[in-house]
Amino acid sequence: GEDVEQSLFLSVREGDSSVINCTYTDSSSTYLYWYKQEPGAGLQLLTYIFSNMDMKQDQRLTVLLNKKDKHLSLRIADTQTGDSAIYFCAGASGGYQKVTFGTGTKLQVIP
Amino acid sequence: DVKVTQSSRYLVKRTGEKVFLECVQDMDHENMFWYRQDPGLGLRLIYFSYDVKMKEKGDIPEGYSVSREKKERFSLILESASTNQTSMYLCASSPSAGRSSYEQYFGPGTRLTVT
Repeated sequence: GEDVEQSLFLSVREGDSSVINCTYTDSSSTYLYWYKQEPGAGLQLLTYIFSNMDMKQDQRLTVLLNKKDKHLSLRIADTQTGDSAIYFCAGASGGYQKVTFGTGTKLQVIP
Repeated sequence: DVKVTQSSRYLVKRTGEKVFLECVQDMDHENMFWYRQDPGLGLRLIYFSYDVKMKEKGDIPEGYSVSREKKERFSLILESASTNQTSMYLCASSPSAGRSSYEQYFGPGTRLTVT
């Protein structure tokens, strides 16, 4: 099965950019996702990228995909305190719409 | 607005008790999933279901069972709760076809403590 790895913790100052990184093992992943989990809540889909794309931008969010290195990143521009959360990357390639989630990166935004 | 609800936000049970966690979705989704979330381990898939009365084991099914008698409802059962099952349990659902079939909608989670 797929393995998806992330660093556990990232701390940034309010107004700076945040970059959260993810590596995955299954090169056949069709879609790659970023989810956000706010304290005490379930996961919420933030954005996705199709495997034949290199980059996707959505307002303050930029997703970069390096298929050769199996590396995915999420850049949050002008990071706000409301962006403090755990961010999960996920890869989808299995049957029955199974998705493999990474370990999650806890983003702390310092005012 | 799409919604996945879970029967309890917090639950405290004793070792050996039988525990039922309920999940209901109102999106007419075919697929439903149960995960557990532990610090440093991310989300691990326990069981999933792709249709009524159908179930498949995930990565960590030991000690758990599931039931799906109606399309909108997916139950997770701990037959005899143990302290190592103390965790956050998340339910999710997704449709069965198209690009969005991999997009999962999550409930708020149930934090289960087994003492």
